[in-house]
Amino acid sequence: EVQLVETGGGLIQPGGSLRLSCAASGFSVSGNYMSWVRQAPGKGLEWVSLIYSGGSTNYADSVKGRFTISRDNSKNTLYLQMNSLRAEDTAVYYCARAAYYFDFWGQGTLVAVSS
Amino acid sequence: EIVMTQSPATLSVSPGERATLSCRASQSVSSNLAWYQQKPGQAPRLLIYGASTRATGVPARFSGSGSGTEFTLTISSLQSEDFAVYYCQQYNNWPPGVTFGQGTKLEIK
Repeated sequence: EVQLVETGGGLIQPGGSLRLSCAASGFSVSGNYMSWVRQAPGKGLEWVSLIYSGGSTNYADSVKGRFTISRDNSKNTLYLQMNSLRAEDTAVYYCARAAYYFDFWGQGTLVAVSS
Repeated sequence: EIVMTQSPATLSVSPGERATLSCRASQSVSSNLAWYQQKPGQAPRLLIYGASTRATGVPARFSGSGSGTEFTLTISSLQSEDFAVYYCQQYNNWPPGVTFGQGTKLEIK
């Protein structure tokens, strides 16, 4: 059974850093495209970042230069390192398996950026 | 960037009736369109991809149609569990560019 479990969210001050994790089971993170998608409170969905099976990465303009996506193949885990956090980064962050569309999603982890 | 516009923002329908949700792209996305269902406090769930192919386990009452810039999600006979927010998403210029519509809330009339 495919499962994605995100952890690492929490309350952080503006300018701070946070690392999100997404543990996968039932498939290989390294053999798939994986993405982070976020949803601000009461708002719609916004794609954040993608890591290709080959290891290349892409980012939305809104997070480029501040966020870094990575993975640990031995742990079958996806990460999102978030630096220089802003209030507008407040959202539930989902990891998702990305086969052009997003066919499996985690339950999400809430990141709240506030002083 | 391709802009996806969903209408209406809110749709009120009675259980057992048919619901029709629309999604329009600012430029052609061919058939590279997906639909998701999201219930409160839950992650989105893939319903439709390729504009008209149901994902695994999705009931047959859900159907998608359209191509180019105009798309429709139809729920033929609404069940109580279908009341949720629905999002469309284009993936025509993926990777990496994907964009979502703003969502349609389907509520009980």
